[in-house]
Amino acid sequence: AQSVSQHNHHVILSEAASLELGCNYSYGGTVNLFWYVQYPGQHLQLLLKYFSGDPLVKGIKGFEAEFIKSKFSFNLRKPSVQWSDTAEYFCAVRTGGSYIPTFGRGTSLIVHP
Amino acid sequence: SAVISQKPSRDICQRGTSLTIQCQVDSQVTMMFWYRQQPGQSLTLIATANQGSEATYESGFVIDKFPISRPNLTFSTLTVSNMSPEDSSIYLCSVAVGGSTDTQYFGPGTRLTVL
Repeated sequence: AQSVSQHNHHVILSEAASLELGCNYSYGGTVNLFWYVQYPGQHLQLLLKYFSGDPLVKGIKGFEAEFIKSKFSFNLRKPSVQWSDTAEYFCAVRTGGSYIPTFGRGTSLIVHP
Repeated sequence: SAVISQKPSRDICQRGTSLTIQCQVDSQVTMMFWYRQQPGQSLTLIATANQGSEATYESGFVIDKFPISRPNLTFSTLTVSNMSPEDSSIYLCSVAVGGSTDTQYFGPGTRLTVL
């Protein structure tokens, strides 16, 4: 079975700092990749997704993620974070033929104003 | 996309009782999912519920403990039966939308505390 690793469990940044959250998965076949965000008190929302094509995916709110197949990675990036980016971020991977993604355990991001 | 609502949003229950959580979607969807989200942990899939068929449970979850109904394409319920404090968690309803490029959308969750 596939697994998804988010290495950073807690990240604390100051506003305007750059962000990169790691996500690695263990599956050698075709994958669909997702990043979800959960703002305090709100439900999970889709931030961005990758199915095929350009491995650099742009999402909402200035986030982007790059799929590097050789590294089994799908890291999330933002060049300059804002206080409003404080949230929990979840990486998810779905393997070919399955409707159901496997989620990482999440990364808690706190941005200080 | 899909807009999902859940009831109740939170509840505090006594050990040994049962709670039924409702999930309503604003459009017809084939596949609905129930997840559990415990603090500091990943989302764990409990079961997949398709309309007109029995729910499919993941390893570690059984129908007697988590009976699910799926009477139509916009509604589902999850019951947490004979609750214990270990069942305290957030329970999330989710749907898959989009055909071959489907994406999962999530409800706001039900925060359950069992005393």
